[in-house]
Amino acid sequence: DTGVSQNPRHKITKRGQNVTFRCDPISEHNRLYWYRQTLGQGPEFLTYFQNEAQLEKSRLLSDRFSAERPKGSFSTLEIQRTEQGDSAMYLCASSPRDAPTYEQYFGPGTRLTVT
Amino acid sequence: GQNIDQPTEMTATEGAIVQINCTYQTSGFNGLFWYQQHAGEAPTFLSYNVLDGLEEKGRFSSFLSRSKGYSYLLLKELQMKDSASYLCAVRRYGGATNKLIFGTGTLLAVQP
Repeated sequence: DTGVSQNPRHKITKRGQNVTFRCDPISEHNRLYWYRQTLGQGPEFLTYFQNEAQLEKSRLLSDRFSAERPKGSFSTLEIQRTEQGDSAMYLCASSPRDAPTYEQYFGPGTRLTVT
Repeated sequence: GQNIDQPTEMTATEGAIVQINCTYQTSGFNGLFWYQQHAGEAPTFLSYNVLDGLEEKGRFSSFLSRSKGYSYLLLKELQMKDSASYLCAVRRYGGATNKLIFGTGTLLAVQP
């Protein structure tokens, strides 16, 4: 068990460019979450996958954002036409199928800076 | 809607005990989590309460009162490495998501 991994760890991009982040959850975890965290705030829920199905999307996730989990394993989060307000830490978390607490295990995050 | 409140910052002394409070207002309450987050790192799970009462785990304990919408995290025998942000998060019933709603976090500074 190597934990949740995310790539890249840091991304600097110019406004208007597209970016894509990857999350590899703990193997056999069927539940995967994306959160966004800005400085001094707690993480905010963006979207949730159960296996390959995207079951919930937050209203924070504008139409510039899209997430996929094509084979129920890794997931990608794409932001199109980035804006300075998209600058944040993007966290991925996974949880196992049958845990009584549904505890979520977080990855190290991808820090996005839009200039 | 939901609202989670916790103090922004706290300071405590190495070796002492500190209590971090969290109050929440939410419909469909389905458990309360505490996470620790060091600067620039991922949140790590500390504790989970779904029933009223105290859960103890080594130096860390967490308490829940559902009727009062109140929880606290108690840290004993503070160490310098406990300096971090402590996040209170509520899980709500609502389909299959089990998403967490986080507070803004309490930044704890442990001083020598």
